[in-house]
Formats: sequence, structure tokens, C-alpha cells
Amino acid sequence: NAGVTQTPKFRVLKTGQSMTLLCAQDMNHEYMYWYRQDPGMGLRLIHYSVGEGTTAKGEVPDGYNVSRLKKQNFLLGLESAAPSQTSVYFCASSLATSNTGELFFGEGSRLTVL
Amino acid sequence: AQSVTQLGSHVSVSEGALVLLRCNYSSSVPPYLFWYVQYPNQGLQLLLKYTSAATLVKGINGFEAEFKKSETSFHLTKPSAHMSDAAEYFCAVIQGGGATNKLIFGTGTLLAVQP
Repeated sequence: NAGVTQTPKFRVLKTGQSMTLLCAQDMNHEYMYWYRQDPGMGLRLIHYSVGEGTTAKGEVPDGYNVSRLKKQNFLLGLESAAPSQTSVYFCASSLATSNTGELFFGEGSRLTVL
Repeated sequence: AQSVTQLGSHVSVSEGALVLLRCNYSSSVPPYLFWYVQYPNQGLQLLLKYTSAATLVKGINGFEAEFKKSETSFHLTKPSAHMSDAAEYFCAVIQGGGATNKLIFGTGTLLAVQP
């Protein structure tokens, strides 16, 4: 059982480069999320999706774009990377049942922007 | 808006000692509260949750938390720490109406367990 899989796990970018992080889940979950984790700041929600073809902004959406073309995939894009986007990125998914709060997380993608 | 505050970014206990990790919440509506655990180089996993049923909630690995409305607290405890409990622990609250399961996380508490 793969659960939530993120690729790549590590990436180094130069300022101004672009890249896409891929999240895939095999649990048939409706909801998917992208968080970033920074020391001393916990996890902050970047964007989320409540279903195929829908996306919405979270707490810190600036500098990121997302797409949910297929139910099982949620892509996070950086069009022009900045050093402030150096972080560990986590994808998560959950059932479409309100207030359960049970998110299933991937193992993270560590991004360094030089 | 809902939020949580974790007191103490680092906590160190001896093996066998009581574990107490503090979390206070701010919410204008009855909150749904959660504790998640993150082991090194892994994603987060749900430890336990409070969804307005019993105020004392039991989770995995012997952890429990008590919802205290009068103190706006949801502290995590374990009677006897084990070396395998060393991890980072996050308190979280559901944002808004909860329909989308959006979680707002605290800043985390790193638990070290000394032999």
C-alpha cells in the first residue's frame, strides 16, 4: 500500500528556475493538500483541492501554483523559485468527510533554492 | 479564526518519566483538535483527535490528551516515556467550518528521550 507518494524527494534549484512537485495518492481520497514545513513555524497550508479540477488558496499561496487534473494527483509548481521557498514540502490527502481531521501525509520533498 | 499555540519548542525527559506537551487553542466555536507525530525523515501521522465527544481522548502508543474548555487547553501526556517516543509533535485545529478538513498546525514540540 503506497498511500501518498511524493516525487522528487530532494531537489536543488537556482533562483529563477521552475519546477513541479508531484503528489500521487492511491486511497481514492477527494481532498488533497500541499503544506510547507519550516523550522519553528510548523506546517503552513499552501493550496488545497476538494476534488478533481478544483483548487483553492491556503495560508501562504504566493509564488506557487497547483493543478488537480486527475483525482489521484496534485501538482505543486514553482514558476520562478526564490531562496525563501527553500523548505520541506508535504502533500496530504483525506476523505471527503468533514471534521475528521485525519490527513494522510507523504514523506516530504526537500527543496533548496540557491 | 482558529489557532493553536504550543508552549515549548523542545522538551527533554528521561526514559520512564512522564511526558507532558502543552497546547492551547483559540477558537470562537467549539474546536476540533488533533495531535500529530512526525518521526525523523517521515511525514506526519495522526496520534489522536478530539471531536466534542469524550474530553479525555486516548491515542496510539499510550498517549492521551484532555480537552479543558475552561483552560482552552489540549495537552498531550504519556505516563512513561519510551526511547521510541522521540519525535516532533504537532497540535492542530480544523479551520473554519471544517468541511474541507483544513488543519492549522502549531509550531511543533521536539521531544527528546534520554536513557
